[in-house]
Amino acid sequence: KQEVTQIPAALSVPEGENLVLNCSFTDSAIYNLQWFRQDPGKGLTSLLLIQSSQREQTSGRLNASLDKSSGRSTLYIAASQPGDSATYLCAVRASGANAGKSTFGDGTTLTVKP
Amino acid sequence: KAGVTQTPRYLIKTRGQQVTLSCSPISGHRSVSWYQQTPGQGLQFLFEYFSETQRNKGNFPGRFSGRQFSNSRSEMNVSTLELGDSALYLCASSTTGGGTGELFFGEGSRLTVL
Repeated sequence: KQEVTQIPAALSVPEGENLVLNCSFTDSAIYNLQWFRQDPGKGLTSLLLIQSSQREQTSGRLNASLDKSSGRSTLYIAASQPGDSATYLCAVRASGANAGKSTFGDGTTLTVKP
Repeated sequence: KAGVTQTPRYLIKTRGQQVTLSCSPISGHRSVSWYQQTPGQGLQFLFEYFSETQRNKGNFPGRFSGRQFSNSRSEMNVSTLELGDSALYLCASSTTGGGTGELFFGEGSRLTVL
């Protein structure tokens, strides 16, 4: 059974700081890993998708890496802003018999203070 | 391009009733998956449909069911509601079934069971 863990559960940083969010998963039989942000009471907004054959994806101030063999991904946020305050979730999409099933971590709640 | 649309956004039901939630995917997307989000359990996979066929199912009781129509719109139904069914129900669409595509989420349907 796939398990996804996100560390830390909560993070508070001053504006302008660079930060790293961590995601680990137990089963490497995945198609891809996707990072999302969720604002309170809202749906999920896709940030970055990394296919299992890729090592890294970048979008603006965001950079995500994937090490499938060790079951780890990181989301790097550069020059954080108050608008980045949200909960960040990672999800792995299973391959094989469970193809299509996504398993989510519990998220990291980020607060960026002005 | 319109995003994923979920209706209704909010609803209140009483125990024992049944509820139907609707999801219209992004135009051209043929895969629709459903998730339940609660503070205690986080995001949990319910089921995925592709071309009107259920491809995968999570660990939920038979009271939770779904279907997909020929235009890719999907509905999920929960019968004999229990207090514990109170949650945010999220729908995601993707271009491909089976797990390789990026997931795009709607804003969710917030169900309160009294």
